[in-house]
Amino acid sequence: GIQVEQSPPDLILQEGANSTLRCNFSDSVNNLQWFHQNPWGQLINLFYIPSGTKQNGRLSATTVATERYSLLYISSSQTTDSGVYFCAVGGDYKLSFGAGTTVTVRA
Amino acid sequence: GAVVSQHPSRVICKSGTSVKIECRSLDFQATTMFWYRQFPKQSLMLMATSNEGSKATYEQGVEKDKFLINHASLTLSTLTVTSAHPEDSSFYICSASRAGGAWETQYFGPGTRLLVL
Repeated sequence: GIQVEQSPPDLILQEGANSTLRCNFSDSVNNLQWFHQNPWGQLINLFYIPSGTKQNGRLSATTVATERYSLLYISSSQTTDSGVYFCAVGGDYKLSFGAGTTVTVRA
Repeated sequence: GAVVSQHPSRVICKSGTSVKIECRSLDFQATTMFWYRQFPKQSLMLMATSNEGSKATYEQGVEKDKFLINHASLTLSTLTVTSAHPEDSSFYICSASRAGGAWETQYFGPGTRLLVL
C-alpha cells in the first residue's frame, strides 16, 4: 500500500504563530485529504486536495503531486487549532492515513 | 451537508458479549462506507469497506467473523463486534463516501468508544 509520512510528529506553538505541516507519500494518488481530529475524536475535513493550492480562512494547503508531498499551513494559530492533524491519501478506493502531527497551541 | 452520525458514542460491555455500532449518513446517500479503528495516540487503520447491498471487503488481518458489517441501505451501515474481548477495546470510526471512488471525499462520523471489561 501507499506509505504516508507526516512531519513533525509534534508541534508546540505560541498563540499567533504560523506553522507548516508536511505530508510525504510514496506513490501517485487520486485522493489526498487533510483532517483535524479534535480532543473528542471527531475528524473534521479540512481540505480535499490531490493537487494544487486551496485556502480556507487561516488554513491553506498545497499539494505537489509530481513530487509526492503536501503542505498544510496554519497562520495566526489559536488555541482551538490544537489537536491532531492527519493527512490521508488514496490511490484506489482506500485511504491510507499518516501517523499525524499533534499540534498544541499555548495561550 | 455531508453529516455522518454514529450510535452509540460510547459503550461499555462485558467480555463475551456482542456490540452493534450504527453509522448513518444523514443528508446524503452513501454507496460506500468505511470502518476504521484507532488505538490511543495512534493513527486510523482501515478495517473494512462496505458497499450497499453487497458483502464487505475486509483488510488483511481483520477477522470477518468477529467484525460483522452490514450495509443494508444507502444511509446505514452497522458494525457488530461479536464475542468482544478486552483487546477489542478501541475507538471505532466510520466514514461515508458519495460515489465510492478514491477521489471522492470521505466524511467521518464522531466515533464510538468501546470498552470491554
